[in-house]
Amino acid sequence: SQTIHQWPATLVQPVGSPLSLECTVEGTSNPNLYWYRQAAGRGLQLLFYSVGIGQISSEVPQNLSASRPQDRQFILSSKKLLLSDSGFYLCAWSSPGGWTQYFGPGTRLTVL
Amino acid sequence: AQRVTQPEKLLSVFKGAPVELKCNYSYSGSPELFWYVQYSRQRLQLLLRHISRESIKGFTADLNKGETSFHLKKPFAQEEDSAMYYCALSDSGNTPLVFGKGTRLSVIA
Repeated sequence: SQTIHQWPATLVQPVGSPLSLECTVEGTSNPNLYWYRQAAGRGLQLLFYSVGIGQISSEVPQNLSASRPQDRQFILSSKKLLLSDSGFYLCAWSSPGGWTQYFGPGTRLTVL
Repeated sequence: AQRVTQPEKLLSVFKGAPVELKCNYSYSGSPELFWYVQYSRQRLQLLLRHISRESIKGFTADLNKGETSFHLKKPFAQEEDSAMYYCALSDSGNTPLVFGKGTRLSVIA
């Protein structure tokens, strides 16, 4: 069966520090991968999605970036965190051409 | 542009009362609609999708293309239904879902 992992579960970082959040999927090949940010009152905001290795689409211009170095690995990064980057980050996957997305447990990021 | 609107941030109902979580969408084609749910301390998970036409945990949702709505309904709310509910839309299998801002359902005993 397919599983999706995210780490770390929680992270507290100072303003201006770098960020690296990792998401991996097991049990499937060539998944579509997604990064969302969930904020209270603002719902789920799509940040990036990828339909294959090295293919990244950005939905919201900001100081975050994403990479997909391997088929089932999706990384969210930042060179310098801002206070506004605080939030709950969710990774999700779907089968190629599939409609349903499956979500990971999320990472709670607090930028101080 | 695709848009999903959930007009209520918070909906409180008493146990045993009917529940209706509203969802309206803006899309010119024939979208696929979903409801996702996030219970406390659990992952966001699919509750139901339009194309399946099924009832999950007593919830149903009917797509009304004339009113561009996909409201989620349950005749008798239970305390365990308390959660965050998101309506979402997709126009194809390889494009991301567009989510509404969510409605927090609180079922009062």
